[in-house]
Amino acid sequence: GENVEQHPSTLSVQEGDSAVIKCTYSDSASNYFPWYKQELGKGPQLIIDIRSNVGEKKDQRIAVTLNKTAKHFSLHITETQPEDSAVYFCAAGASGGSYIPTFGRGTSLIVHP
Amino acid sequence: DTEVTQTPKHLVMGMTNKKSLKCEQHMGHRAMYWYKQKAKKPPELMFVYSYEKLSINESVPSRFSPECPNSSLLNLHLHALQPEDSALYLCASRVGTSSNYGYTFGSGTRLTVV
Repeated sequence: GENVEQHPSTLSVQEGDSAVIKCTYSDSASNYFPWYKQELGKGPQLIIDIRSNVGEKKDQRIAVTLNKTAKHFSLHITETQPEDSAVYFCAAGASGGSYIPTFGRGTSLIVHP
Repeated sequence: DTEVTQTPKHLVMGMTNKKSLKCEQHMGHRAMYWYKQKAKKPPELMFVYSYEKLSINESVPSRFSPECPNSSLLNLHLHALQPEDSALYLCASRVGTSSNYGYTFGSGTRLTVV
């Protein structure tokens, strides 16, 4: 089955800095890679995703990059703000059949004002 | 409507109680999921419903009993739970089980078993 490693487990930055969270996956059949943000007391929220036929995707201050050869993908947040503080989960999986993604262990991002 | 609504938000129950968690979505999604999440851990899959039929049961103990009465509603019936079952229970939906689209999660039910 798929195995997803996520680093770092905790990331502390100053407001305005950039933050990068990295994930690696093991199954070359995986073709869909979502990122979720979970604020305290809430459910995870999909913030950006990327499919295997794309190398990079941007949405305002967040971007995701995918390197299929190396089997890793990363979340980039620029100009961080205190409201970006949350736990971020990456996930990977293969479409077709019952698509069930495997989650990374999560990164707790703390943005200091 | 782009939300998944879960009730109740908090639940405290004794080990001999019977209670139910409810999940509702009106996005026309045909795949619905129950996840369990412990503190500082990723969500763990419990059940998958596809077109109102149970398609995946991840070896969940029988004290958890899912039900999908219609395409918009998902229930999780709880009976004789243990303290270690205390967790955040998340419901999620997606367009279809084979689609490579992200989940829409509810805010969860925080369950405490005493």
